[in-house]
Amino acid sequence: DQQVKQNSPSLSVQEGRISILNCDYTNSMFDYFLWYKKYPAEGPTFLISISSIKDKNEDGRFTVFLNKSAKHLSLHIVPSQPGDSAVYFCAASLNTGTASKLTFGTGTRLQVTL
Amino acid sequence: GAGVSQSPSNKVTEKGKDVELRCDPISGHTALYWYRQRLGQGLEFLIYFQGNSAPDKSGLPSDRFSAERTGESVSTLTIQRTQQEDSAVYLCASSVNYEQYFGPGTRLTVT
Repeated sequence: DQQVKQNSPSLSVQEGRISILNCDYTNSMFDYFLWYKKYPAEGPTFLISISSIKDKNEDGRFTVFLNKSAKHLSLHIVPSQPGDSAVYFCAASLNTGTASKLTFGTGTRLQVTL
Repeated sequence: GAGVSQSPSNKVTEKGKDVELRCDPISGHTALYWYRQRLGQGLEFLIYFQGNSAPDKSGLPSDRFSAERTGESVSTLTIQRTQQEDSAVYLCASSVNYEQYFGPGTRLTVT
């Protein structure tokens, strides 16, 4: 049972435009959501996160939106840059104290073209 | 500062052999996690440690897989009698809160 889903395996966006990556989840008990970026042959790098008590979190060019009623979150990157080309993973966490396993989606490969 | 390190970076082994994968977490990080990523798939949780105890081993795929951790330091993931389906990138992460920091991974190939 895939509790975190990223239904778009790939996305191509022109440099300077907005990239929107989507993620859906099924477990309403998830209370913290994270986005990771992964380059080939490297481990995932933490990008941005959001608590379930918020609906938006912004950090520079990156904004994450959370719609709890729809069990949906999205990552907006604006403006997109060629260096943003990578695989983006959405992850969710249950509140089990200070440590909690992450449940990951299958990833979306973003390609930012010139 | 130093991030999470893993060794070896690559390991090729014959089916049936045992392998040990090592993870050095970020100093001071109390929690340590093991995940794996098989080709074309997402990250799959294996086990996590809080200190040197493992509250959640639910992701270990079989009893051929085991892991241990020394205090709040190094962890080793051992796979006994490797099978071809064990081929994957094994990723380690450490954290002090929800944000987990990943190492570069060990690519395991079982021939």
